[in-house]
Amino acid sequence: QKEVEQNSGPLSVPEGAIASLNCTYSDRGSQSFFWYRQYSGKSPELIMSIYSNGDKEDGRFTAQLNKASQYVSLLIRDSQPSDSATYLCAVISRSASKIIFGSGTRLSIRP
Amino acid sequence: EADIYQTPRYLVIGTGKKITLECSQTMGHDKMYWYQQDPGMELHLIHYSYGVNSTEKGDLSSESTVSRIRTEHFPLTLESARPSHTSQYLCASSDLGGTSGRAADTQYFGPGTRLTVL
Repeated sequence: QKEVEQNSGPLSVPEGAIASLNCTYSDRGSQSFFWYRQYSGKSPELIMSIYSNGDKEDGRFTAQLNKASQYVSLLIRDSQPSDSATYLCAVISRSASKIIFGSGTRLSIRP
Repeated sequence: EADIYQTPRYLVIGTGKKITLECSQTMGHDKMYWYQQDPGMELHLIHYSYGVNSTEKGDLSSESTVSRIRTEHFPLTLESARPSHTSQYLCASSDLGGTSGRAADTQYFGPGTRLTVL
């Protein structure tokens, strides 16, 4: 079992709709969670970080964390074609004392 | 402005050449990392450093070596490049949290070096 799992996609969402990206992790003691966006051929850029159970909103993006179920999700409201990218979930594993990246979910927003 | 830099951005080189990929950061971070990523594939950690004179191998075996003589500089060297080394190399750095308000180990990436070995 991978430490951080994501559906590889591609996830296709119509423009203007809500895109929902999910991530599960195996280390129950993990404390910090991140979402990165990576455009093709570019480096990952940090979108959101979340540390406590519940929702955290930043503009069109909402991160959701449920430590009991060991999942973290990212919602993108009013999806735009510019949101088409690969989204990487990352978790700071307490047991490994390092950040672990998922393999990413490819999101495609269709006009 | 605090940032992380990588040079060169693109490099095409012949088999057997020695190359050094440069990474520098002005963010004052102690930790630095090198990742290898093929197109459409996941990130693989190949080296990391927790500070000056500290270097460790990552999860993916790599024929490259690194050094950390200065806090802001973390170069990666390939003694003899081969076509199998063709990939994108990403440098990242992270801090220990504190006044930034962010969690320790929040990583920031440089723009990457795309290496092609012929």
